[in-house]
Amino acid sequence: QVQLVQSGAEVKKPGASVKVSCKTSGYTFTDLYVHWVRQAPGQGLEWMGEINPNTGGTSYPQKFQGRVTMTGDTSISTVYMEMSSLRPDDTAVYYCARDGWGGGSDFDYWGQGTLVTVSS
Amino acid sequence: QSALTQPPSASGSPGQSVTISCTGSSSDVGTYNYVSWYQHRPGKAPKLMIYEVNKRPSGVPDRFSGSKSGNTASLTVSGLQAEDEADYYCISYRGSSLYVFGTGTKVTVL
Repeated sequence: QVQLVQSGAEVKKPGASVKVSCKTSGYTFTDLYVHWVRQAPGQGLEWMGEINPNTGGTSYPQKFQGRVTMTGDTSISTVYMEMSSLRPDDTAVYYCARDGWGGGSDFDYWGQGTLVTVSS
Repeated sequence: QSALTQPPSASGSPGQSVTISCTGSSSDVGTYNYVSWYQHRPGKAPKLMIYEVNKRPSGVPDRFSGSKSGNTASLTVSGLQAEDEADYYCISYRGSSLYVFGTGTKVTVL
């Protein structure tokens, strides 16, 4: 069965970086894109970007360009999301999600979420 | 890149229908049929309810339906049940490998 399993909660100081992992299983890793979505406390869902695990190609909205890097390791079917220059308002639950076989934005399987807390 | 606009809240009694709108622009909802809807309960991962405007993944009840007219997409929940109480988000493709979520709607079953 398809599973996306994320790394555990993180506590970071402002200005630091964080790297969250998302290990996939149950399907061919290079077949489908993986997206990252976050939800800050009391806020809505926010799309952070996508990675093509086959090519390593990525796409980020302007808000996260230069601060977020998504990478993949095909040998262990895992994608990573690294965010630098963390601020307190980056405190959120971060999710990875698989893009299904439809045309786009059909994120059919999700990780369990990783809480990242940014506090001095 | 502002979020798609959804009403903050919607409600209905059990058995009734509720419709949630998702308003974008000609750059996203109006141009692409890649609008999806997610149900999100506290402490859980979001769940895909509708994709490509009106397609339902297997396992999603047919009480959930989607549509689109111009720059506005809609999600309708018919025969409302207590278990439908959750936050609902739309998301649309907006070209150039970019996506944007809606602001979210809290559905309350009275």
